[in-house]
Amino acid sequence: AQSVTQPDARVTVSEGASLQLRCKYSYSGTPYLFWYVQYPRQGLQLLLKYYSGDPVVQGVNGFEAEFSKSNSSFHLRKASVHWSDSAVYFCALSAGGGRALIFGTGTTVSVSP
Amino acid sequence: DAGVTQTPRHEVAEKGQTIILKCEPVSGHNDLFWYRQTKIQGLELLSYFRSKSLMEDGGAFKDRFKAEMLNSSFSTLKIQPTEPKDSAVYLCASSPGKDERLFFGHGTKLSVL
Repeated sequence: AQSVTQPDARVTVSEGASLQLRCKYSYSGTPYLFWYVQYPRQGLQLLLKYYSGDPVVQGVNGFEAEFSKSNSSFHLRKASVHWSDSAVYFCALSAGGGRALIFGTGTTVSVSP
Repeated sequence: DAGVTQTPRHEVAEKGQTIILKCEPVSGHNDLFWYRQTKIQGLELLSYFRSKSLMEDGGAFKDRFKAEMLNSSFSTLKIQPTEPKDSAVYLCASSPGKDERLFFGHGTKLSVL
C-alpha cells in the first residue's frame, strides 16, 4: 500500500529565512509526486509536480522540490519566505494507472515578521 | 473559467440526519474526487470517479457514505446517518485525467451536533 508521511505538523520561520518541508513516501514503484498548498479560506492549489527526469523540479512562487528515490523523499524548499507563504502544505503521491492521489497530513507554515 | 463549485459552503446537521453535499467539476474534466479533510488525518479519499465510473472508494467510508455522479457535470455525496465524528471539511476536486493536476473546490464544512 502507498503512503505519504509529513513528519512536521507545524513549522515557524522568520520572513526572509529559508524553508524546507519534509515528505517521505512509501511505494514500491516510481510514483508521481505533488506538492499542494492551501492558503487561508482557499481551496488547495498545485505548487509543483514530479513525474520523471531531473530530480529537482521548479514550482510557482519560488518553490522547488527534490526527488530522491534512494531516500523515498520529496522535500520542498524555498530560499526566502514571505509572510504570504503562511499556509498549509500537502505532499501527495499517485501510483498512476487511474489511482487516486494519496495525501500526507499536511504541514502548517507560519511566517513571522 | 469556472472552477470546481461546492454547495453548500457550510452545513449543520443533527446526529442521525441525512445530508447531501453537491459538487460541479470543471467543465470537460473526466476525473472527480471526494476527500474528507481533518486536522488529524489530513485528506482522506472518499470516492474517485473516472468518466462517471467509480474507480476507488475509501474502504473505511463505505458504510454511511455514498458518492454518485449523476452526469458528467454534477456529483453528490450523501452521508446517512450522520454522526458527530463526521464533522470535517469535505472537498471535491476534478482533473482532466492521466495524473494531471487536481482542481479543488473551496469545500463544505460540516458540523454534526
